[in-house]
Amino acid sequence: AQKVTQAQTEISVVEKEDVTLDCVYETRDTTYYLFWYKQPPSGELVFLIRRNSFDEQNEISGRYSWNFQKSTSSFNFTITASQVVDSAVYFCALSEWNYGGATNKLIFGTGTLLAVQP
Amino acid sequence: DVKVTQSSRYLVKRTGEKVFLECVQDMDHENMFWYRQDPGLGLRLIYFSYDVKMKEKGDIPEGYSVSREKKERFSLILESASTNQTSMYLCASSSILTIQGIQRYGYTFGSGTRLTVV
Repeated sequence: AQKVTQAQTEISVVEKEDVTLDCVYETRDTTYYLFWYKQPPSGELVFLIRRNSFDEQNEISGRYSWNFQKSTSSFNFTITASQVVDSAVYFCALSEWNYGGATNKLIFGTGTLLAVQP
Repeated sequence: DVKVTQSSRYLVKRTGEKVFLECVQDMDHENMFWYRQDPGLGLRLIYFSYDVKMKEKGDIPEGYSVSREKKERFSLILESASTNQTSMYLCASSSILTIQGIQRYGYTFGSGTRLTVV
């Protein structure tokens, strides 16, 4: 069965600190997608990144970076020089790849609440 | 940009009422989903639909039903609302795109409906 574990329930940092959010996943599929979403206090889920299982390259986007390691089934997310606006709940999610195009449902972790103090 | 619109941001209903949560997407996506979000549990899939009039149960379908009469609209129905259905409900849609010869798909979420059953 597919499963996503975000062991960190809450993290509190001071502005400008670096912070890493952990995500560990389980799947028997060889082809799958991994996602990170941000949910600010307004409630809307904001897409951050999608990575497929064949692409293990790390990605950097501004202050955000992602480290995908199939050997440890992890897809960790680092925010460099955190800011107060980064305060949100962050979700990691997993989806199988269905070549027929149907379903592709997302399995979410329980989320990590990040609080960045000024 | 794809837009997923949920008709109500906040809703208060009485126990035993029949409740309709509406979701509309404007980009002709095949797949639509209803998730429920609760603290400490992340997002859990209630129902999804991969075509008009097609529906499949997710992980927690009990107490819910869905309707998809038109491609753009996916309704979640609480047949007889109960207090344990007080939650945040999120709708999403997804589709497959072929970008530079590679098939990719992405999800778009609505802003959510916070339902309180009293």
